[in-house]
Amino acid sequence: NAGVTQTPKFRVLKTGQSMTLLCAQDMNHEYMYWYRQDPGMGLRLIHYSVGEGTTAKGEVPDGYNVSRLKKQNFLLGLESAAPSQTSVYFCASSMINRGLNQPQHFGDGTRLSIL
Amino acid sequence: GENVEQHPSTLSVQEGDSAVIKCTYSDSASNYFPWYKQELGKRPQLIIDIRSNVGEKKDQRIAVTLNKTAKHFSLHITETQPEDSAVYFCAAFESGAGSYQLTFGKGTKLSVIP
Repeated sequence: NAGVTQTPKFRVLKTGQSMTLLCAQDMNHEYMYWYRQDPGMGLRLIHYSVGEGTTAKGEVPDGYNVSRLKKQNFLLGLESAAPSQTSVYFCASSMINRGLNQPQHFGDGTRLSIL
Repeated sequence: GENVEQHPSTLSVQEGDSAVIKCTYSDSASNYFPWYKQELGKRPQLIIDIRSNVGEKKDQRIAVTLNKTAKHFSLHITETQPEDSAVYFCAAFESGAGSYQLTFGKGTKLSVIP
C-alpha cells in the first residue's frame, strides 16, 4: 500500500515549456487535491476533484489545468510554464466516511523549477 | 471563501516547555480542523484533528482546542522535545455550497532548544 505517489520528484523546465505532474493513490479515495507550497505562504489549493470525471478550481488555479479520468489518478498540467510557477507541488487525497470528511494524505511532493 | 490566520510565524521554546500555536478562521460553516507537521523536505503529516462538535481533543503530549463562537482553535504541545522541531500548519475544511476545500494557515516554525 503505497498511499499517494507523485511523479516526478524533481523537474527543471524552461519558460514556455509544458509538462504534466502525475498523482496516483491506491486508497480508493474519492477526493484528490493539488497544492503548491511557497516559502512563507503555506499550502495553497490549485485544483481539486470530488470524484472521477469532476474537477473544481481552488485558490490559485490560473496557469494550471487538471484531469481525473480515473479515480486513482489526478493529473496537473502546466501548458506554458512561467518562473512564477517555480514551487513545490503536493498532491493529497481523502475520503468521506459516514458523511464526514477524513484527513488528507499527502504525497512526497514534486519540486519544480522554471528557468 | 475561507481565510485562516495562524500565529506566531516562529516560536522557540526550551526543551520540556510547552508550545501553543493559535489559528482563527472566517467561515462559520467550516466543520473540520486538522493540524499538520512538516519536517524539512518532507510531506505534511497529520498530527491531530478536531471536528466542530467537539471542544477539545488530546493525544499524549498534543492537544487541540476549538472555540466555535470565537472561530479560533489552538494546538498545545506539552513537554516539548527536539524532535518536535518542524513547521506546523493549521487548516479549516469547508464543505458547503458545493465547495470541499481545506484552507491552510501560513505555518509556524517551531524550534525546540535542547
